[in-house]
Order: sequence, then C-alpha cells, then structure tokens
Amino acid sequence: EVQLVDSGGALVQPGGSLRLSCSASGFTFYAFSMDWVRQAPGKGLECVSRISGNGANTYYADSVRDRFTISRDNSDNTLYLQMNSLRPEDTAVYYCVKVNSNWDYDYWGQGTLVTVSS
Amino acid sequence: EIILTQFPATLSLSPGERAILSCRASQSIGSYLAWYQQKPGQAPRLLIYDAFNRATGIPARFSGSGSGTDFTLTISSLEPEDFVVYYCHQRISWPRTFGQGTKVEIK
Repeated sequence: EVQLVDSGGALVQPGGSLRLSCSASGFTFYAFSMDWVRQAPGKGLECVSRISGNGANTYYADSVRDRFTISRDNSDNTLYLQMNSLRPEDTAVYYCVKVNSNWDYDYWGQGTLVTVSS
Repeated sequence: EIILTQFPATLSLSPGERAILSCRASQSIGSYLAWYQQKPGQAPRLLIYDAFNRATGIPARFSGSGSGTDFTLTISSLEPEDFVVYYCHQRISWPRTFGQGTKVEIK
C-alpha cells in the first residue's frame, strides 16, 4: 500500500525557515518524480515544486523560486522541502504528491500546515 | 503560465440530478487535463485523467470530455458524497496549474 506521510509544519515568523519532510513507502520511490502542492486556507491548489526520480531535475513556481529548495534521499525514501525567507502568503497546507507514469497525481500525503505569522 | 478557469464557481443541485462542470484553458492543452475531487479536510483524489479516462476505482457516474481549451466533468446522478469541491488540472507544462475549483452544493 502506498503511503506518504508529511511532517514538519509549524508556526514560524516572517523571514524564518522551515524544512518539510515526506516519508514514502509502498512503491519504488526512486522511480517517480515527486511534487509539493500547497493550499492556502479556504483557497485552491498550487504546485510549488517538483523533483525528478533521481533528483537531477527540479522545478519551482515563480512564487517560491530562490526561497524554497526541494530535495530527496532515495536511500531513505524521503522527500524534503527547505523553505527560507518565509512570507505570510506562504501560509498553507503543504502536500507531498507522487507523480505517476502518466504524469498525474495518484497519491497524496495527508498534508502539513505551515503558518507564517508574527 | 496556463490559466484554467472553472465555471460555475458553485453549482446548486439535488441528489439524483446531473452535474456539469466546465474548465477552460487559456491556451490549447490537448487532452492533458485531469479532474480532482476534494472532500473537506482531505487531500484531493484523482477522478479523471487525460480528459476522459476514469482513474482506478472511480464510479461510472463520473465522466470527462473535451480537448484543446474546453473540458467538461459530468456527474450523471449525484450521490450525497459528491457534494464537494472539484478542480481541473493541466499537466502539459510547468508550472502545473489548477482551476480555482467548483463547489457542488445541495440545493
């Protein structure tokens, strides 16, 4: 059974940093790209970042480029999102998402809440 | 960035009725469109991929159509658990984008 367990969300002050983690199991982790998708309270969905299976290629939304860094540890089946220079508008539930062979999102984590506020 | 516009924002219907949800892309995306369903407090779930293919385990009352810039999600007969939010999503280019969502509510 595929499982994605998100963690690391917290209350942080503007300008602060946070690292999110996603522990994956039940599939061949290194074979699939992974995304982070976020959802601000009461709002829609935004694709934040993507990383290829081997970690060689990464992509970012303009809203987070140069502030967020996606990475993965294929030996530990874990996905990360390092978030720096956080802003109030980064407040959201962050989901780690598995990208299937058709490039759709077939499995989602339960989400972890990041709140940026003073 | 490809903009996806969903309409209506809210659809008020009764159980058993047919729901038709629309999604329009700002440029042609071929058939690279998916639909996701999101229940309160839960992560989204894939319903339809490549415009008209049902994902594994999705009931036959859900169907998708369209190509290019105009797409439709149809729920043939609404069940009580279908009164939630639906998002369209394009995968043809990065950044991947979602529509703003359509909420199907009980009339």
